[in-house]
Amino acid sequence: DGGITQSPKYLFRKEGQNVTLSCEQNLNHDAMYWYRQDPGQGLRLIYYSQIVNDFQKGDIAEGYSVSREKKESFPLTVTSAQKNPTAFYLCASSVRIMNTEAFFGQGTRLTVV
Amino acid sequence: DAKTTQPPSMDCAEGRAANLPCNHSTISGNEYVYWYRQIHSQGPQYIIHGLKNNETNEMASLIITEDRKSSTLILPHATLRDTAVYYCIVRPPMTTDSWGKLQFGAGTQVVVTP
Repeated sequence: DGGITQSPKYLFRKEGQNVTLSCEQNLNHDAMYWYRQDPGQGLRLIYYSQIVNDFQKGDIAEGYSVSREKKESFPLTVTSAQKNPTAFYLCASSVRIMNTEAFFGQGTRLTVV
Repeated sequence: DAKTTQPPSMDCAEGRAANLPCNHSTISGNEYVYWYRQIHSQGPQYIIHGLKNNETNEMASLIITEDRKSSTLILPHATLRDTAVYYCIVRPPMTTDSWGKLQFGAGTQVVVTP
């Protein structure tokens, strides 16, 4: 089945540690996105990538880093510089044209203690 | 970027139509209106999108006013499983800075009651 997979679903880390969230898609989509969601809030864009080896900062990129070495994969690293990393992280992908929908993964809930 | 305004919450009786309004008075001529929904602790699910004509699919109908300043998402026969946060999004024009971004607001929390 085609889809977008995030792993793990729940992740716990100690404060000061970097952590990498996985996002893989087999939809042959060029564009991929990372969003953050805090309780009771909408989604905020962290990073997005239009094609392999290219990515752009979103609205809240500070404290995060990404890579796009393969079309299928867009991992997000939450660094120790991110002051409030505990959140629900969502990855999405879409075909590389404007008027199509984006497909979302089921999210990773990161808790930093 | 164009922004949207939605009511924070609304209730709907099971089996009745749910009409979800959205204002987007600063929308540009080449911007699409998208609707997504998010069931608690899951990823958002695409519902429908349109430019200027009304659209219908198996999930919902989208009615866009002639001046495109507002739209309404219609769930024709709401079920308990339609309880979710519904997001109305205007997809920004294609520029180097904003290409492809979906900007989510707070959405409308819809509760379908028996």
